[in-house]
Amino acid sequence: EVQLVQSGAEVKKPGESLRISCQSSGYKFPDYQIGWVRQMPGNGLEWMGRINPSGSYTNYNPSFQGHVTFSVDKSISTAYLHWGSLKASDTAIYYCARIKGVHFDSWGQGTLVTVSS
Amino acid sequence: DIQMTQSPSSLSASLGDRVTITCQASHDISINLHWYQQRPGKAPKLLIYDASILQTGVPVRFSGSGSGTDFTFTISSLQPEDFATYYCQHYDNFPMYSFGQGTKVEIK
Repeated sequence: EVQLVQSGAEVKKPGESLRISCQSSGYKFPDYQIGWVRQMPGNGLEWMGRINPSGSYTNYNPSFQGHVTFSVDKSISTAYLHWGSLKASDTAIYYCARIKGVHFDSWGQGTLVTVSS
Repeated sequence: DIQMTQSPSSLSASLGDRVTITCQASHDISINLHWYQQRPGKAPKLLIYDASILQTGVPVRFSGSGSGTDFTFTISSLQPEDFATYYCQHYDNFPMYSFGQGTKVEIK
């Protein structure tokens, strides 16, 4: 069974850094890219970007470029989403999802990030 | 870039009702249109890909149709577990993966 398991909820202050994780199992990690999706409170889904399984190639939605960074550790089949300096407006649920061609066929359970002073 | 318009934004329906949601593209996108369900407090789940192909394990009461610019998602007989928000999604060169605004299906 394909599973993407994300790290737990985080509470941070503005300006702090953060890395959340997404560990894949049940399939060959090198065969699929991973995408990240944001859902702000009460809002819809926004694609943030994607990373290939070797970590050598990334695409960022221009709305997020320069504010977040994606990485992977293929030895443990894990993708990461990193912020260098959080803002209150980063408060949201973040999902990782396996990309199959042009859609997302499996999703993590989501990680709630709360940024508040 | 291609604009996607999903409608309605919400609807009320009763158990057993037939429910239809539409997604319209500003340009021809062939069958590059996919549908997701998001139950409250849960992650999205892929239901339909390539406009009409049912994802493995998804009940047959869900269906999708369309090509080009106009797409339809249908629940043939609404069940209690179907009360959720539904999103269409399209892939393009820019900004790659885009989602519709969502349709919240509520109990009448």
